[in-house]
Amino acid sequence: QSALTQPASVSGSPGQSITISCTGTNSDIGTYNVVSWYQHHPGEAPKLLIYEVNERPSGVSKRFSGSKSGNTASLTISGLQAEDEAEYYCCSYAGRDTFVVFGGGTKVTVL
Amino acid sequence: QVRLQQWGTGLLKPSETLSLTCAVYGGSFSDFFWSWIRQSPGKGLEYIGRINRFGSTNYNPSLKGRVTISVDRSKEQFSLKLTSVSAADRAVYYCARVHYAYYYMDVWDKGTTVAVSS
Repeated sequence: QSALTQPASVSGSPGQSITISCTGTNSDIGTYNVVSWYQHHPGEAPKLLIYEVNERPSGVSKRFSGSKSGNTASLTISGLQAEDEAEYYCCSYAGRDTFVVFGGGTKVTVL
Repeated sequence: QVRLQQWGTGLLKPSETLSLTCAVYGGSFSDFFWSWIRQSPGKGLEYIGRINRFGSTNYNPSLKGRVTISVDRSKEQFSLKLTSVSAADRAVYYCARVHYAYYYMDVWDKGTTVAVSS
């Protein structure tokens, strides 16, 4: 069982917006603004999409955005495209002893 | 452009020791943490542990006692050893660079599949 809770799947039609939630606790997301999101296509290396809750690395589409409220972080994909079909993982810092914890992943399907 | 490349044993018998090494090419080795992460079949990503250039480590509590991560600064490589493997350790293992202050993984390798079978 993963430390952070994500929905198993989310789907949307091309052009729509979807939001993936990531729920943690006061020991991770609720305390630290150190949440990152990754996109993972099967057989490839995971790709960093968002860091520090809502920062995008250079080269990542503006269609990806992040936010946080309390113990829950969210990733929004706007203007959904076929290439967005992948698994998405959240990750949070959880203190010096634990370091980081991941969510269980959300499979995004473009209808 | 930083690139990571790993190698190691891909097929193990139960109770053997998993050994993987990851080399860092084209970037600063000193200013980051270096980590191991795995994905078991049908499951999500799991943090295994991380190390810095001084050899300071942190391990996932669920694997503590079986895992050791080491670093060779002269070769800009870091390694993973996981003892007493079982079928539960069957996974794709990734090495990744971790930002020193904000703990995000911004460079990953493509992963190595490790099978455990008697």
